[in-house]
Amino acid sequence: NAGVTQTPKFRVLKTGQSMTLLCAQDMNHEYMYWYRQDPGMGLRLIHYSVGEGTTAKGEVPDGYNVSRLKKQNFLLGLESAAPSQTSVYFCASSSLGRLAAYQETQYFGPGTRLLVL
Amino acid sequence: RKEVEQDPGPFNVPEGATVAFNCTYSNSASQSFFWYRQDCRKEPKLLMSVYSSGNEDGRFTAQLNRASQYISLLIRDSKLSDSATYLCVVNNNDMRFGAGTRLTVKP
Repeated sequence: NAGVTQTPKFRVLKTGQSMTLLCAQDMNHEYMYWYRQDPGMGLRLIHYSVGEGTTAKGEVPDGYNVSRLKKQNFLLGLESAAPSQTSVYFCASSSLGRLAAYQETQYFGPGTRLLVL
Repeated sequence: RKEVEQDPGPFNVPEGATVAFNCTYSNSASQSFFWYRQDCRKEPKLLMSVYSSGNEDGRFTAQLNRASQYISLLIRDSKLSDSATYLCVVNNNDMRFGAGTRLTVKP
Protein backbone atom coordinates (compact mmCIF):
# COMPACT_ATOMS: atom_id res chain seq x y z
CA ASN A 1 0.00 0.00 0.00
CA ALA A 2 1.97 2.99 -1.28
CA GLY A 3 -0.58 5.65 -0.26
CA VAL A 4 -0.18 8.75 -2.40
CA THR A 5 2.71 8.94 -4.84
CA GLN A 6 3.85 11.79 -7.05
CA THR A 7 6.07 11.97 -10.09
CA PRO A 8 8.44 13.55 -10.76
CA LYS A 9 10.07 14.46 -7.46
CA PHE A 10 11.95 17.39 -8.91
CA ARG A 11 11.89 19.28 -12.21
CA VAL A 12 13.49 22.34 -13.74
CA LEU A 13 11.62 24.10 -16.54
CA LYS A 14 12.30 27.10 -18.70
CA THR A 15 9.68 29.81 -18.94
CA GLY A 16 7.06 28.82 -21.48
CA GLN A 17 7.65 25.08 -21.30
CA SER A 18 4.85 22.73 -20.40
CA MET A 19 4.75 19.74 -18.09
CA THR A 20 2.40 17.37 -16.31
CA LEU A 21 2.64 16.29 -12.70
CA LEU A 22 1.18 12.90 -11.91
CA CYS A 23 -0.47 11.93 -8.64
CA ALA A 24 -1.60 8.39 -7.90
CA GLN A 25 -3.34 6.93 -4.86
CA ASP A 26 -4.12 3.33 -4.04
CA MET A 27 -6.58 3.93 -1.20
CA ASN A 28 -9.66 4.05 -3.40
CA HIS A 29 -10.29 7.63 -2.32
CA GLU A 30 -12.93 9.63 -4.12
CA TYR A 31 -11.44 13.06 -3.48
CA MET A 32 -8.12 14.32 -4.72
CA TYR A 33 -6.45 17.71 -4.46
CA TRP A 34 -3.51 19.66 -5.79
CA TYR A 35 -1.84 22.26 -3.55
CA ARG A 36 1.14 24.48 -3.87
CA GLN A 37 3.33 25.49 -0.93
CA ASP A 38 5.40 28.65 -0.97
CA PRO A 39 7.67 30.06 1.76
CA GLY A 40 5.77 32.07 4.35
CA MET A 41 2.43 30.92 3.03
CA GLY A 42 0.20 28.04 3.85
CA LEU A 43 -0.66 25.37 1.34
CA ARG A 44 -3.03 26.80 -1.23
CA LEU A 45 -5.53 24.70 -3.15
CA ILE A 46 -5.08 24.82 -6.93
CA HIS A 47 -7.73 22.36 -8.16
CA TYR A 48 -9.58 19.43 -6.72
CA SER A 49 -11.69 16.51 -7.84
CA VAL A 50 -14.68 14.91 -6.17
CA GLY A 51 -14.61 11.83 -8.33
CA GLU A 52 -13.53 10.30 -11.58
CA GLY A 53 -14.23 12.61 -14.50
CA THR A 54 -14.90 15.69 -12.37
CA THR A 55 -12.65 18.60 -11.47
CA ALA A 56 -13.14 22.02 -9.92
CA LYS A 57 -11.13 25.16 -9.26
CA GLY A 58 -9.59 25.92 -5.93
CA GLU A 59 -8.11 29.08 -4.52
CA VAL A 60 -5.30 29.62 -7.08
CA PRO A 61 -6.26 27.85 -10.33
CA ASP A 62 -4.84 30.26 -12.90
CA GLY A 63 -2.11 28.83 -15.10
CA TYR A 64 -2.99 25.21 -14.25
CA ASN A 65 -5.25 22.54 -15.65
CA VAL A 66 -6.17 19.15 -14.25
CA SER A 67 -7.70 15.89 -15.33
CA ARG A 68 -9.11 12.89 -13.48
CA LEU A 69 -9.65 10.23 -16.11
CA LYS A 70 -9.14 7.39 -13.63
CA LYS A 71 -10.17 7.35 -10.01
CA GLN A 72 -6.67 6.64 -8.80
CA ASN A 73 -4.90 9.35 -10.83
CA PHE A 74 -5.04 13.12 -10.75
CA LEU A 75 -2.91 15.04 -13.22
CA LEU A 76 -1.81 18.66 -12.90
CA GLY A 77 -0.72 20.42 -16.07
CA LEU A 78 1.20 23.61 -16.65
CA GLU A 79 0.71 24.68 -20.24
CA SER A 80 3.18 27.56 -20.24
CA ALA A 81 5.30 27.67 -17.12
CA ALA A 82 6.13 30.98 -15.47
CA PRO A 83 8.69 31.77 -12.75
CA SER A 84 5.79 32.52 -10.39
CA GLN A 85 4.93 28.82 -10.58
CA THR A 86 8.18 27.87 -8.89
CA SER A 87 6.92 26.04 -5.84
CA VAL A 88 6.50 22.73 -4.10
CA TYR A 89 3.39 20.92 -5.31
CA PHE A 90 1.56 18.47 -3.09
CA CYS A 91 -1.17 16.12 -4.10
CA ALA A 92 -3.58 14.84 -1.47
CA SER A 93 -6.50 12.48 -1.30
CA SER A 94 -9.31 11.80 1.13
CA SER A 95 -12.18 9.40 1.47
CA LEU A 96 -14.56 12.11 2.57
CA GLY A 97 -15.14 15.30 0.75
CA ARG A 98 -14.64 18.94 1.44
CA LEU A 99 -18.05 19.26 2.97
CA ALA A 100 -17.56 16.43 5.46
CA ALA A 101 -16.90 18.76 8.31
CA TYR A 102 -15.42 16.63 11.00
CA GLN A 103 -13.41 13.85 9.45
CA GLU A 104 -11.53 15.54 6.65
CA THR A 105 -8.22 13.76 6.95
CA GLN A 106 -6.18 14.32 3.87
CA TYR A 107 -3.27 12.09 2.94
CA PHE A 108 -0.45 13.84 1.14
CA GLY A 109 2.04 12.69 -1.42
CA PRO A 110 5.77 13.44 -0.96
CA GLY A 111 5.67 16.54 -3.14
CA THR A 112 7.17 17.73 -6.42
CA ARG A 113 9.69 20.55 -6.37
CA LEU A 114 9.38 22.67 -9.47
CA LEU A 115 11.81 25.39 -10.49
CA VAL A 116 10.89 27.60 -13.43
CA LEU A 117 13.75 29.66 -14.82
CA ARG B 1 -5.66 39.54 6.56
CA LYS B 2 -4.82 35.86 6.20
CA GLU B 3 -7.62 33.44 6.97
CA VAL B 4 -5.38 31.37 9.21
CA GLU B 5 -2.50 32.99 11.06
CA GLN B 6 0.32 31.41 12.99
CA ASP B 7 3.46 32.72 14.61
CA PRO B 8 6.16 31.39 12.28
CA GLY B 9 8.66 31.01 15.13
CA PRO B 10 11.13 29.47 15.31
CA PHE B 11 10.52 28.17 18.78
CA ASN B 12 13.76 26.77 20.18
CA VAL B 13 13.21 24.75 23.33
CA PRO B 14 15.26 22.27 25.36
CA GLU B 15 14.29 18.64 25.62
CA GLY B 16 11.65 18.11 28.26
CA ALA B 17 10.19 21.58 27.92
CA THR B 18 6.52 22.38 27.45
CA VAL B 19 5.72 24.50 24.43
CA ALA B 20 2.45 25.93 23.14
CA PHE B 21 1.41 27.29 19.78
CA ASN B 22 -1.63 29.34 18.94
CA CYS B 23 -3.40 29.80 15.66
CA THR B 24 -6.12 32.33 14.88
CA TYR B 25 -8.70 32.08 12.14
CA SER B 26 -10.90 34.73 10.61
CA ASN B 27 -13.97 32.82 9.43
CA SER B 28 -16.36 32.35 12.33
CA ALA B 29 -18.31 29.77 10.32
CA SER B 30 -15.34 27.39 10.23
CA GLN B 31 -16.45 23.90 11.02
CA SER B 32 -13.47 21.75 11.85
CA PHE B 33 -9.90 22.19 12.89
CA PHE B 34 -6.71 20.21 12.72
CA TRP B 35 -3.03 20.27 13.47
CA TYR B 36 -0.71 18.80 10.88
CA ARG B 37 2.99 18.18 11.27
CA GLN B 38 5.45 18.74 8.45
CA ASP B 39 9.05 17.63 8.63
CA CYS B 40 11.69 19.44 6.59
CA ARG B 41 11.20 18.75 2.87
CA LYS B 42 8.45 16.24 3.59
CA GLU B 43 4.70 16.17 3.19
CA PRO B 44 2.25 17.31 5.87
CA LYS B 45 0.80 14.56 8.06
CA LEU B 46 -2.19 14.77 10.33
CA LEU B 47 -1.16 15.14 13.96
CA MET B 48 -4.59 15.48 15.51
CA SER B 49 -8.05 16.85 15.02
CA VAL B 50 -9.23 19.56 17.39
CA TYR B 51 -12.58 19.03 19.05
CA SER B 52 -14.74 21.63 20.75
CA SER B 53 -14.22 20.05 24.14
CA GLY B 54 -10.47 19.87 23.66
CA ASN B 55 -8.61 16.63 23.20
CA GLU B 56 -5.40 14.98 24.22
CA ASP B 57 -3.18 12.44 22.53
CA GLY B 58 -0.27 11.44 24.70
CA ARG B 59 1.94 14.48 25.16
CA PHE B 60 -0.14 16.58 22.80
CA THR B 61 -3.19 18.60 23.80
CA ALA B 62 -5.32 20.61 21.41
CA GLN B 63 -7.86 23.24 22.40
CA LEU B 64 -10.44 25.23 20.48
CA ASN B 65 -11.80 28.60 21.50
CA ARG B 66 -14.62 29.49 19.13
CA ALA B 67 -15.46 32.76 20.86
CA SER B 68 -11.96 34.11 20.31
CA GLN B 69 -11.43 32.14 17.12
CA TYR B 70 -8.21 30.42 17.95
CA ILE B 71 -6.90 26.94 18.40
CA SER B 72 -3.89 25.88 20.37
CA LEU B 73 -1.47 23.00 20.55
CA LEU B 74 0.42 22.14 23.70
CA ILE B 75 3.36 19.76 23.66
CA ARG B 76 4.59 18.46 26.97
CA ASP B 77 7.95 16.83 27.68
CA SER B 78 9.34 17.81 24.27
CA LYS B 79 11.43 15.25 22.43
CA LEU B 80 14.10 15.84 19.81
CA SER B 81 11.80 14.07 17.37
CA ASP B 82 9.14 16.75 17.86
CA SER B 83 11.28 19.15 15.83
CA ALA B 84 9.13 20.02 12.83
CA THR B 85 6.79 22.65 11.46
CA TYR B 86 3.26 22.52 12.85
CA LEU B 87 0.48 23.57 10.50
CA CYS B 88 -2.85 24.81 11.71
CA VAL B 89 -5.70 23.84 9.38
CA VAL B 90 -9.21 25.22 9.41
CA ASN B 91 -12.04 23.76 7.40
CA ASN B 92 -14.97 25.78 6.10
CA ASN B 93 -15.84 23.90 2.93
CA ASP B 94 -12.25 24.49 1.91
CA MET B 95 -9.23 23.47 3.93
CA ARG B 96 -7.22 26.56 4.82
CA PHE B 97 -3.68 26.05 5.98
CA GLY B 98 -1.63 28.31 8.15
CA ALA B 99 1.97 28.94 7.10
CA GLY B 100 3.19 26.91 10.04
CA THR B 101 5.14 27.32 13.26
CA ARG B 102 8.63 25.91 13.32
CA LEU B 103 9.75 24.08 16.43
CA THR B 104 13.30 22.99 17.20
CA VAL B 105 13.88 20.87 20.27
CA LYS B 106 17.50 20.90 21.40
CA PRO B 107 19.40 18.43 23.61
